[in-house]
Amino acid sequence: AQTVTQSQPEMSVQEAETVTLSCTYDTSESNYYLFWYKQPPSRQMILVIRQEAYKQQNATENRFSVNFQKAAKSFSLKISDSQLGDTAMYFCAFMKPRRGRDDKIIFGKGTRLHILP
Amino acid sequence: KAGVTQTPRYLIKTRGQQVTLSCSPISGHRSVSWYQQTPGQGLQFLFEYFSETQRNKGNFPGRFSGRQFSNSRSEMNVSTLELGDSALYLCASSFSGQGADTQYFGPGTRLTVL
Repeated sequence: AQTVTQSQPEMSVQEAETVTLSCTYDTSESNYYLFWYKQPPSRQMILVIRQEAYKQQNATENRFSVNFQKAAKSFSLKISDSQLGDTAMYFCAFMKPRRGRDDKIIFGKGTRLHILP
Repeated sequence: KAGVTQTPRYLIKTRGQQVTLSCSPISGHRSVSWYQQTPGQGLQFLFEYFSETQRNKGNFPGRFSGRQFSNSRSEMNVSTLELGDSALYLCASSFSGQGADTQYFGPGTRLTVL
């Protein structure tokens, strides 16, 4: 069974700094998708960034980028030039490309990120 | 395009009662997934519906059930509520629920069981 682990329950950084959120996962699959979702306080969860396991190149979306290490089963999220609006709970998630009846999207327990003014 | 909507946003029930939550997906999306979010357990998958059929199910007791209608709207029902059912219930919709389909989440229904 797949598992997703986020080892940092909570983090705080100063505005404009760079922060890295860790995520490790365990799977025997060779192809899969990894996601980072952001859940701001009292607001809807939104997708931040997505990585396909068969792609070597790390995904980037503006200030957000990932460091995907397939052999190490690591998928960290880097936020550059952090802004107050980045304050949120961040979830790492794993999904198989085509899911059978017993397959589901697996989420980590989340990292609560505080951006300090 | 309107986003995923969930009703009601807040609900207070007592133990033993039952509750029905509703989710309207983004127009054109046929997959609806339900999640339970609690501080201790994080985000746990309940089930997914696609074209009115339950396609996947998480590890929750039979008190949790759901259904999907022909217009893709989905309902989730919890019978015989327990204190531990207090949580934020999120639904998410996507076009097919497969591959790299992005899941779009609703604002959630906050259920409090007294």
